[in-house]
Amino acid sequence: DQQVKQNSPSLSVQEGRISILNCDYTNSMFDYFLWYKKYPAEGPTFLISISSIKDKNEDGRFTVFLNKSAKHLSLHIVPSQPGDSAVYFCAAHRAGNNRKLIWGLGTSLAVNP
Amino acid sequence: AAGVIQSPRHLIKEKRETATLKCYPIPRHDTVYWYQQGPGQDPQFLISFYEKMQSDKGSIPDRFSAQQFSDYHSELNMSSLELGDSALYFCASSDSGSSYNEQFFGPGTRLTVL
Repeated sequence: DQQVKQNSPSLSVQEGRISILNCDYTNSMFDYFLWYKKYPAEGPTFLISISSIKDKNEDGRFTVFLNKSAKHLSLHIVPSQPGDSAVYFCAAHRAGNNRKLIWGLGTSLAVNP
Repeated sequence: AAGVIQSPRHLIKEKRETATLKCYPIPRHDTVYWYQQGPGQDPQFLISFYEKMQSDKGSIPDRFSAQQFSDYHSELNMSSLELGDSALYFCASSDSGSSYNEQFFGPGTRLTVL
């Protein structure tokens, strides 16, 4: 059972436009959500995160929105750049000592010049 | 800034051989995680260690074992290798003292079993 779902395996966006990557989750006990970016043959790189007590977190071109009632979060990249082309993973964990990350399957973003 | 170091970066083994992967966490990080990522798959959690003790166990086969040492580095030992063990193996580290679990990943070890 996939507790963290990224239903779009791929996304293509024009350079300069907005990229929106979506993530849904089923476990209402998750209290922290993270986005990772991964280039081929490299380890995932932490990008941005959001606590369940917030609905928005912004860091430069990256903004994550959380809608707890819908169990949905999204990552917005504005403006998109060709260097943003990578696989983006959504991950979540619960509060407490066991903070094992539960991962989505990833969305491959291609930003076209 | 220092990152997570993994060695070797690439490893080729034959079926039924053994392999040892090493992970050196970011300085002052006390928690280490191991993940396996097969082709076209998300990273699958294998096992984690906190202060040299196993803290959680995921889908790690019985043929695999791991440990964390006093300097916080960790080793993943894989025996009786099978073709299906070919994957990217990532190590991540985190600081248990942080409020949330931002895990920082190493570059991975690509294991190929022939």
